[in-house]
Amino acid sequence: GAVVSQHPSRVICKSGTSVKIECRSLDFQATTMFWYRQFPKKSLMLMATSNEGSKATYEQGVEKDKFLINHASLTLSTLTVTSAHPEDSSFYICSARVLGGQPQHFGDGTRLSIL
Amino acid sequence: AQSVTQLDSHVSVSEGTPVLLRCNYSSSYSPSLFWYVQHPNKGLQLLLKYTSAATLVKGINGFEAEFKKSETSFHLTKPSAHMSDAAEYFCVVSEGYGGSQGNLIFGKGTKLSVKP
Repeated sequence: GAVVSQHPSRVICKSGTSVKIECRSLDFQATTMFWYRQFPKKSLMLMATSNEGSKATYEQGVEKDKFLINHASLTLSTLTVTSAHPEDSSFYICSARVLGGQPQHFGDGTRLSIL
Repeated sequence: AQSVTQLDSHVSVSEGTPVLLRCNYSSSYSPSLFWYVQHPNKGLQLLLKYTSAATLVKGINGFEAEFKKSETSFHLTKPSAHMSDAAEYFCVVSEGYGGSQGNLIFGKGTKLSVKP
């Protein structure tokens, strides 16, 4: 089946650091990738939709200058949390799908902890 | 607007007994519906999906779900729970039209506990 790899699985860093998270589709070409944030014991909140070769579409309330998304190829999207602060600590999950296809395939998530 | 309601935040069953996780949806169109499972500190794994074909959908690990349009429900069932089924389960509907085509709308999740 379709596999999505997310790296790193866990990051612990100091406040003010920028952190990059990678999301790769290993065995299919993902025209669209999605980035979610999940708070403890909560459901997933869509942050942005990333289409290959174009600018990401951010959901209302998500700061695009804070959460930089790049989808440079059909198999890779990156999320960079710039100048991270403790309130950015969360579980970030990416997903990917082919154009017009369902379902979305999810990565294993990245636990981000900002000290 | 589309929405998903998972009626139980927590369900506890004994190993070997049936599992029922309830989900109701609201959609203006013929929806695509999914059940995903999430184990602790992991991403989401697709259990099964409904995309307007057979109303009874069989998934992995013995799970199945029935799409009932008249009841706007898509409940997840399994005849016999296993300890490894303990996890968080999300019922999800996919938006089908317009600029947000393909976006997923998640229920709040149901935590399934399985007692020995």
